[in-house]
Amino acid sequence: EDKVVQSPLSLVVHEGDTVTLNCSYEVTNFRSLLWYKQEKKAPTFLFMLTSSGIEKKSGRLSSILDKKELSSILNITATQTGDSAIYLCAVEGFPNSGGSNYKLTFGKGTLLTVNP
Amino acid sequence: KAGVTQTPRYLIKTRGQQVTLSCSPISGHRSVSWYQQTPGQGLQFLFEYFSETQRNKGNFPGRFSGRQFSNSRSEMNVSTLELGDSALYLCASSRETVYGYTFGSGTRLTVV
Repeated sequence: EDKVVQSPLSLVVHEGDTVTLNCSYEVTNFRSLLWYKQEKKAPTFLFMLTSSGIEKKSGRLSSILDKKELSSILNITATQTGDSAIYLCAVEGFPNSGGSNYKLTFGKGTLLTVNP
Repeated sequence: KAGVTQTPRYLIKTRGQQVTLSCSPISGHRSVSWYQQTPGQGLQFLFEYFSETQRNKGNFPGRFSGRQFSNSRSEMNVSTLELGDSALYLCASSRETVYGYTFGSGTRLTVV
């Protein structure tokens, strides 16, 4: 069964700190790894990483995929209180049996709290 | 452009009842997938539909079912509700999975 593990589960930092969130996975027929930010209800898309795009950057956020180690990190520099949220890592895999399309498996998320 | 719309936003039901949740995808998106989110288990995949056909199903009991209509709108149904079904139910739509998935704001179901 596909598995995604995120660490740490929660993290408290001060504004201006840099944080690194981790995601490791065991997925059948990997296609992509996605990061989402969830503040209230709807997770919002941050990055998609694939074999052809293993590093992405957007402003203060960046992410790297390590296909050899089956892991990814999400970095946030110069954190702000608005970065407080649950960060979700999800991996797309294609089941060996019982399905006919890729599906997402999520980790339990990292709760990031940024204090002023 | 309009996002993914889920209705209702909140629901309170009694054990043993059944419930139907609705999801309208972004225009042009033909894939709709459903997830259950609870504090203990995180986001868990329920099922995915494309052109009215279920393509994938997660490890949930048969009380959880879904369908998709010709306009790509999807519904999920939970019969014989249990207290443990209390959760945030999220749906996501995509045009092609290479473009990622867009989530709705979810339906918060409370079973009492």
